[in-house]
Amino acid sequence: NAGVTQTPKFQVLKTGQSMTLQCAQDMNHEYMSWYRQDPGMGLRLIHYSVGAGITDQGEVPNGYNVSRSTTEDFPLRLLSAAPSQTSVYFCASSSGLLDEQYFGPGTRLTVT
Amino acid sequence: GQQVMQIPQYQHVQEGEDFTTYCNSSTTLSNIQWYKQRPGGHPVFLIQLVKSGEVKKQKRLTFQFGEAKKNSSLHITATQTTDVGTYFCAGYRNNDMRFGAGTRLTVKP
Repeated sequence: NAGVTQTPKFQVLKTGQSMTLQCAQDMNHEYMSWYRQDPGMGLRLIHYSVGAGITDQGEVPNGYNVSRSTTEDFPLRLLSAAPSQTSVYFCASSSGLLDEQYFGPGTRLTVT
Repeated sequence: GQQVMQIPQYQHVQEGEDFTTYCNSSTTLSNIQWYKQRPGGHPVFLIQLVKSGEVKKQKRLTFQFGEAKKNSSLHITATQTTDVGTYFCAGYRNNDMRFGAGTRLTVKP
């Protein structure tokens, strides 16, 4: 099993550009989520999904969109990148809301 | 909304010394999870605590959940250089999981 995979590993965007961060898991987990990690602030939940076709907002959803068309994939879209979105983004999956989360390797995003 | 505070932010110890990080919530939690993130890596699950007053051990690591389910601690006995990294708690309540800011542990050999 590959677990949770994320692409790309690194990305540099200019302000106003859009892009999609990819996340996939092969563990048949229902629950997937996106976090951003900033220095001194831990991990903050952006969006999450409890199953295919169902998504919901987390703590910091503004500026991001998600969709969940399949159990395996949970892409995160930045609509119009801003310097405040410079961060490390982690995707995670678990078999349930209260269960152990498996994190992907992360995407380091810089917006100039 | 729910807040999860974690202290200290940094801890530097000599190899062989003990280490403790504390996690405090403003509200009663359903459960709490602990994760470890090595430098440059991703968070890795360590343990989950669910019951009031629960204590769990993993070799040199001891995890506690407070009686009121509002606080938790992770204690490492006799630290080793392999323990370096940032330790996060994550508290869950009402479909809302919040991570603490983490405690970064460095160990001097």
